[in-house]
Amino acid sequence: ILNVEQSPQSLHVQEGDSTNFTCSFPSSNFYALHWYRWETAKSPEALFVMTLNGDEKKKGRISATLNTKEGYSYLYIKGSQPEDSATYLCASISDSWGKLQFGAGTQVVVTP
Amino acid sequence: SAVISQKPSRDICQRGTSLTIQCQVDSQVTMMFWYRQQPGQSLTLIATANQGSEATYESGFVIDKFPISRPNLTFSTLTVSNMSPEDSSIYLCSVRQVYNSPLHFGNGTRLTVT
Repeated sequence: ILNVEQSPQSLHVQEGDSTNFTCSFPSSNFYALHWYRWETAKSPEALFVMTLNGDEKKKGRISATLNTKEGYSYLYIKGSQPEDSATYLCASISDSWGKLQFGAGTQVVVTP
Repeated sequence: SAVISQKPSRDICQRGTSLTIQCQVDSQVTMMFWYRQQPGQSLTLIATANQGSEATYESGFVIDKFPISRPNLTFSTLTVSNMSPEDSSIYLCSVRQVYNSPLHFGNGTRLTVT
């Protein structure tokens, strides 16, 4: 993988259901993986910065895992709520300058 | 975390004109960046705004099209010059205090070029 890819592009979730989606990134020269949440009409907000293989991070009902050897990260939302509706962006750092390469995002819509 | 004020929040501009976007941070920051998100695309780094010197542009972006100023550690401007419909995007200012800390973003400028 040369670019950061996110799948699916969008998903619809019923309130209360759990969901997860994927970020794939170049596994060579890995430095860090960032997750951001971008709600409509707001600025992107940092969720997690992950650096170690096997790392797991949690923030409320949202958690993320990291596999640097195979180049993927999962983001999980447990018991989705309408306020979780947003676009979730991941970005990888593959150079010593710390430049972030973003994926196109996964748009999550949680319906009551 | 830093509070970033970006303006204008949106604008509709005519082809061939220029728009200057301002980014004001409530504290001194080392690293300041300008990003663009075209419809359906990833956030793409335009340039790193360097205090007191010329910005560092990414491949595909040039100073004549996107001149950037950064007179101090709390303020920067991005100008989108000689606009065309392809410049219709969300433009975001972002800052980072130290290497590998997360980015903090302004609310963005939604630009439509007709």
